[in-house]
Amino acid sequence: DQQVKQNSPSLSVQEGRISILNCDYTNSMFDYFLWYKKYPAEGPTFLISISSIKDKNEDGRFTVFLNKSAKHLSLHIVPSQPGDSAVYFCAASLYGGSQGNLIFGKGTKLSVKP
Amino acid sequence: NAGVTQTPKFRILKIGQSMTLQCTQDMNHNYMYWYRQDPGMGLKLIYYSVGAGITDKGEVPNGYNVSRSTTEDFPLRLELAAPSQTSVYFCASSYAGQAGYGYTFGSGTRLTVV
Repeated sequence: DQQVKQNSPSLSVQEGRISILNCDYTNSMFDYFLWYKKYPAEGPTFLISISSIKDKNEDGRFTVFLNKSAKHLSLHIVPSQPGDSAVYFCAASLYGGSQGNLIFGKGTKLSVKP
Repeated sequence: NAGVTQTPKFRILKIGQSMTLQCTQDMNHNYMYWYRQDPGMGLKLIYYSVGAGITDKGEVPNGYNVSRSTTEDFPLRLELAAPSQTSVYFCASSYAGQAGYGYTFGSGTRLTVV
């Protein structure tokens, strides 16, 4: 039973355009949502997070939107750059992660073409 | 600043052999975690620790053991390796389980059991 779902295994966009990565979840008790970026042969790198009490968080080119009624969040990257090409994982936490409860989706591979 | 260091980076084990995956962090984080990532899947939590001397099981603990004698080190022990343990293993750490600030991951250990 997947609690965090990333239904698109891959996404390809042109450099300079917007990339939108989507994530759905089933557990309404999640209190934080996070996005991680992963390059091949490296560990995941924390990108941006959002508390469940907010609906938007922005950090430079990256914006995360949360729609609690739809149990859906999305990561927008504007403008997309070739260096953004990586696998993006959506993750969610219970109890602020205090009990190791960080649950990951399967990831979406983003390819940004020059 | 080294962050989270994992050794070895690669290892091939024969069925029934044992090994220890090493993980060290120099950020004085009190929380540490072990995840595994199977191909095309998200990361699954094996064990975590909220401080020296305290460990707890995650989602997939069977076949593994951990210990936490110091703040810095969190080794993962595989006893009687099985092909199902072929995976990429990531160690991570965080401060006080604050998921909203993200976890810092190591670069991973790729383990093959043959």
